[in-house]
Amino acid sequence: KAGVTQTPRYLIKTRGQQVTLSCSPISGHRSVSWYQQTPGQGLQFLFEYFSETQRNKGNFPGRFSGRQFSNSRSEMNVSTLELGDSALYLCASSGTGAGNTEAFFGQGTRLTVV
Amino acid sequence: SQELEQSPQSLIVQEGKNLTINCTSSKTLYGLYWYKQKYGEGLIFLMMLQKGGEEKSHEKITAKLDEKKQQSSLHITASQPSHAGIYLCGAGKDSGYSTLTFGKGTMLLVSP
Repeated sequence: KAGVTQTPRYLIKTRGQQVTLSCSPISGHRSVSWYQQTPGQGLQFLFEYFSETQRNKGNFPGRFSGRQFSNSRSEMNVSTLELGDSALYLCASSGTGAGNTEAFFGQGTRLTVV
Repeated sequence: SQELEQSPQSLIVQEGKNLTINCTSSKTLYGLYWYKQKYGEGLIFLMMLQKGGEEKSHEKITAKLDEKKQQSSLHITASQPSHAGIYLCGAGKDSGYSTLTFGKGTMLLVSP
């Protein structure tokens, strides 16, 4: 069974640009969550999607958005990039999301904003 | 909001020694997850604990959940260089969603 796949693995963008990251969950999983990891703040929850609906959202500005497709693949978008958006972006895949279920992470996308 | 405090922040142990990492929550725990991360890479799922008193093992790693103390401990027996990395605990938000709050992590180095 394939794991969680995130693409691309690395990105370099310029301030003001926008970026789209992709996450393909484990086959059969319907919940995808996104996290931002930085040395200063650690791992912080961005948002969670389940069956194409955003079910929960963390405390991030509106520049961060996401969506989920009918095949459960998810994308997150960051518009008007700032230097502080440089981070490792991780997505997690879990089954039904009913109750607390095991959550598996992808390898992450390393975003560098210059 | 829920906060998870991990201790110690970092740990250097000699190969073959045992060690324990603790994770304490400021609120009721709805599922406690342990992950391992190599620097700059994704998180590797180790185990999830849901019930007070629950204990799980995977190879030489054992985790326990003390619901009353809102605390979990991760114990590694006979550490090996392959155990080196950052250990993160995460707690479920509530019983309905798969969103996690994480501790800051414990960096483990194993010296030969």
